[in-house]
Amino acid sequence: DQQVKQNSPSLSVQEGRISILNCDYTNSMFDYFLWYKKYPAEGPTFLISISSIKDKNEDGRFTVFLNKSAKHLSLHIVPSQPGDSAVYFCAAGGGNTPLVFGKGTRLSVIA
Amino acid sequence: GAVVSQHPSRVICKSGTSVKIECRSLDFQATTMFWYRQFPKKSLMLMATSNEGSKATYEQGVEKDKFLINHASLTLSTLTVTSAHPEDSSFYICSAREGNRPDTQYFGPGTRLTVL
Repeated sequence: DQQVKQNSPSLSVQEGRISILNCDYTNSMFDYFLWYKKYPAEGPTFLISISSIKDKNEDGRFTVFLNKSAKHLSLHIVPSQPGDSAVYFCAAGGGNTPLVFGKGTRLSVIA
Repeated sequence: GAVVSQHPSRVICKSGTSVKIECRSLDFQATTMFWYRQFPKKSLMLMATSNEGSKATYEQGVEKDKFLINHASLTLSTLTVTSAHPEDSSFYICSAREGNRPDTQYFGPGTRLTVL
């Protein structure tokens, strides 16, 4: 049973436009959500997070939106840059439990 | 931010040998460390969770006698792949958590293991 789902394996966006990456979860006990960026043969690097008491968190070009009733979150990147091309993982956690990761979405930003 | 290192970054070994991978938290004490495995084009699969000084908790389907985890100190955890086989070839990533919150979990750069 996949508790965190990223249904789009890949996404292509023109440079300068908005990238929207989506993530759905099933476990209502999750109270913290994170996005990680990963390049091949490297570990994930933290991008941005949001706790369940908020519905939006913004950090520069990155904004994460959380819709608790729909158990859905999204990462918006605007404007998208070629250096943003990577695999993005959505992760969810609660309390002391390990993070649960989605399968990732490969973002390609085309110049 | 907090830094987690892994050594070695790449290792190639013969089938039947054992390989040890080290994970260190460089500028913080990690109460909990995690070991993940990533298959090509797949998500990060949690293998085990370890707390300093106690036995690791393995996820279902992960053989504890094959993947030995030692969390000897608050800054060091090791994963030993015993009697490695080609199917153990994978990208292994460790993670260290400073506190109890999910946003205090930091990842190492990963180790590429190739078993010939």
